[in-house]
Amino acid sequence: DADVTQTPRNRITKTGKRIMLECSQTKGHDRMYWYRQDPGLGLRLIYYSFDVKDINKGEISDGYSVSRQAQAKFSLSLESAIPNQTALYFCATSDRAATEAFFGQGTRLTVV
Amino acid sequence: AQSVTQPDIHITVSEGASLELRCNYSYGATPYLFWYVQSPGQGLQLLLKYFSGDTLVQGIKGFEAEFKRSQSSFNLRKPSVHWSDAAEYFCAVDIYNTDKLIFGTGTRLQVFP
Repeated sequence: DADVTQTPRNRITKTGKRIMLECSQTKGHDRMYWYRQDPGLGLRLIYYSFDVKDINKGEISDGYSVSRQAQAKFSLSLESAIPNQTALYFCATSDRAATEAFFGQGTRLTVV
Repeated sequence: AQSVTQPDIHITVSEGASLELRCNYSYGATPYLFWYVQSPGQGLQLLLKYFSGDTLVQGIKGFEAEFKRSQSSFNLRKPSVHWSDAAEYFCAVDIYNTDKLIFGTGTRLQVFP
């Protein structure tokens, strides 16, 4: 099994719908991150969490929310999806600062 | 503004040729520096990292990178590229005391036989 698992892997949704992307990890890491990847823009940080009670906004948090349900689970929600949120979303975990981040395989989200 | 810059969007090399991918950062202090690789349809995998000490670091798959403080650069190199190296490469920084991992825009590498 993968260390960092994202579900679903692919999703098509309609404008205005609420959608949740889920991430779970078996690394035992405290730190978890959500990024979105767009062509030519690289990966941009949406939200990050250093433990269950610590949630922080990243560069592009508008239109998104997150929930850290447990050390191993970190969900990203789009309350009302819009087409420019069409992107590839990655969850990542790390043990502490300046260590390797482990990535899930990504969720490709299309908003029509 | 603080940033990570990868000036080359797309690089094409022949198999067996040498490779250098550029990365520059603009932060006040030396951040922790990383290179990640993303193969098609996959997540990102760490190639190598620099925290301190020897400015030439070795990574997996025959890659190396050199930190140059005077140029605020952390360029990735490989002496002889293999077709399987075709992928997208991301430079990233972990800024001291912020604990955020920030990525550059990526360089797509294409390898011709």
